[in-house]
Amino acid sequence: GAVVSQHPSWVICKSGTSVKIECRSLDFQATTMFWYRQFPKQSLMLMATSNEGSKATYEQGVEKDKFLINHASLTLSTLTVTSAHPEDSSFYICSAPRRQGVATEAFFGQGTRLTVV
Amino acid sequence: SQKIEQNSEALNIQEGKTATLTCNYTNYSPAYLQWYRQDPGRGPVFLLLIRENEKEKRKERLKVTFDTTLKQSLFHITASQPADSATYLCAPANQAGTALIFGKGTTLSVSS
Repeated sequence: GAVVSQHPSWVICKSGTSVKIECRSLDFQATTMFWYRQFPKQSLMLMATSNEGSKATYEQGVEKDKFLINHASLTLSTLTVTSAHPEDSSFYICSAPRRQGVATEAFFGQGTRLTVV
Repeated sequence: SQKIEQNSEALNIQEGKTATLTCNYTNYSPAYLQWYRQDPGRGPVFLLLIRENEKEKRKERLKVTFDTTLKQSLFHITASQPADSATYLCAPANQAGTALIFGKGTTLSVSS
């Protein structure tokens, strides 16, 4: 099956620093990828849609200047958490959809556990 | 606004029994619905997709039903095993290529 690779799987950083998370579709092209955030015992919350070759679209309440998204190629999207603060600590997951007829199957990365100290 | 509800946050059953998880949605008319499994600290893994014109879908020990009148999907795991213990998420969807919106999930614990 299709594989989406996310890196790193975990990261600890100091407050005020930036962290970059990569999401790659390994065996299919994804013009669109999605970034989610998940707090403990909560559902995955969609943060933004990453579009290859154009600007990302952000969900309401998500700061685009804080969460920078770059979709540089058909297989790579990156999320950079800028000037991270402890409240940004969370589990970040990317997803790349692959069309299956009229439906879309979403493939997820392994997730990145971000801890800001 | 669209709302997705999964019957309970936690479901505990004994090995060998059938687990039944419920997904209800409101203010929504999905063309299809997907079920995912998520283990702690991992991303969700796709299990099954059922389309609106399908009443039932099976895959090995898994069975999904989709009732568009009741706005409900049921997810069954027969002959459950401890290895089935995980959080199960449902995601109704309407349009190919759009982001999936998930329910909170039901955490299933199968005891031996």
